[in-house]
Amino acid sequence: AQKVTQAQTEISVVEKEDVTLDCVYETRDTTYYLFWYKQPPSGELVFLIRRNSFDEQNEISGRYSWNFQKSTSSFNFTITASQVVDSAVYFCALSGKETSGSRLTFGEGTQLTVNP
Amino acid sequence: KAGVTQTPRYLIKTRGQQVTLSCSPISGHRSVSWYQQTPGQGLQFLFEYFSETQRNKGNFPGRFSGRQFSNSRSEMNVSTLELGDSALYLCASSLGGVSQETQYFGPGTRLLVL
Repeated sequence: AQKVTQAQTEISVVEKEDVTLDCVYETRDTTYYLFWYKQPPSGELVFLIRRNSFDEQNEISGRYSWNFQKSTSSFNFTITASQVVDSAVYFCALSGKETSGSRLTFGEGTQLTVNP
Repeated sequence: KAGVTQTPRYLIKTRGQQVTLSCSPISGHRSVSWYQQTPGQGLQFLFEYFSETQRNKGNFPGRFSGRQFSNSRSEMNVSTLELGDSALYLCASSLGGVSQETQYFGPGTRLLVL
């Protein structure tokens, strides 16, 4: 069965620090898709990135970067020079044929608090 | 393009009542999925609808049901509410509901069962 693990329940940093959120996944699919979503206090899940299992290139978008390593089944997310507005719960998610359709399997989430 | 909308945003019900939540997907999206989020269980998949048909279902009791209309709008219904049904219910839409597509989420409906 598919599974996503985010071992860090809560992380607290001071503004301008770099922070990495870990995500480890399990799946029997050879083709699968990984996602990161941000959930601010308002509750809406905001899409950040999608990565397919064949593309192991790291991605950078502004202060955000993602490191996908198939060998360790990890898809980690780094925020550089964190800001107070980055405070939110971050979810890693997985989809693939194992569960069919677009059904997402989510990790437990990591609560990130950035203090001024 | 307007995002996914959900109504109502907040709801208070008592045990034993039933509730209907509504979701309007992004224009052109034909797949709608529902998720339940609770502090104890996290984000759990309820069901997915595509072209008015339930295509995928999570591990929830039959009290949870849904439907989709020809304009892709979806409703979910919970009958005989229990205290444990208190949660944030999130709706997501995607174009065709296949695994490689990104799902876009609405703001959610916060349900409190007293």
